[in-house]
Amino acid sequence: DAGVTQSPTHLIKTRGQQVTLRCSPKSGHDTVSWYQQALGQGPQFIFQYYEEEERQRGNFPDRFSGHQFPNYSSELNVNALLLGDSALYLCASSLSTRASGQYFGPGTRLTVT
Amino acid sequence: DQQVKQNSPSLSVQEGRISILNCDYTNSMFDYFLWYKKYPAEGPTFLISISSIKDKNEDGRFTVFLNKSAKHLSLHIVPSQPGDSAVYFCAAVYNFNKFYFGSGTKLNVKP
Repeated sequence: DAGVTQSPTHLIKTRGQQVTLRCSPKSGHDTVSWYQQALGQGPQFIFQYYEEEERQRGNFPDRFSGHQFPNYSSELNVNALLLGDSALYLCASSLSTRASGQYFGPGTRLTVT
Repeated sequence: DQQVKQNSPSLSVQEGRISILNCDYTNSMFDYFLWYKKYPAEGPTFLISISSIKDKNEDGRFTVFLNKSAKHLSLHIVPSQPGDSAVYFCAAVYNFNKFYFGSGTKLNVKP
C-alpha cells in the first residue's frame, strides 16, 4: 500500500499563473481533504471532497478550487497565484465513515515568485 | 480566527522523562480532538485521538487528556524517547469532517 501520494513534490510558479496539484488517496479511502501549511503554522483546511463533490470548505477564496475523480483521486487548482500562496500543500485521505483516521501525504511545496 | 492554539513553539525534555504538550481551543462544539506527529519532509501522522465526551485516552506511552471546562487538551508522553523528537500538532474536528490545527510544538528529546 503506497499510502497517500502527491505530485509534484516541488513547484515554482510566477505570480498570476495557475497551478494544479494532484493527490492519490490511500487504498480504500473515499474522502480527500486539502490543507495549506504556511511556514511556522499548522495546516489550514481548504476543502474536502467526497463522492466527487465539495463537502466542506474553509476560509479560502474562490481562486482555490478542486476536483475529485471517480477513482477518488483529487486535484487542487489555484488561479491567479499570489506571493502569499507560497506554502506546503497537504492532501489527506480518509474513509467517510471514519474521519478521524486521516492519512496525510508528504505534501507539495509551492513557491510563487 | 485561530480556533486551536499551541502556545509553546518548542519543548526540550530529557530522555526517560515526561513530555507534556498543550493545546487550547475556543469552540465548545468540536466533536473530537487529535494529535499528529510530523517529521521533516513527511506529512503529519495520526498519533492519538479523544472524543469530546471523554476526558482521557491512553495508547501505550501516549495519553491525551481533555478538560472541557477549560477548553484545554494535553498530550503526555511517558517515557520520552529520542525518536519522539518531531513537531506535534493538535487538531480539533467540527461537524465530523472539518479539521482545525494548531501551529505545532517542536519536541526535542535529548539522549
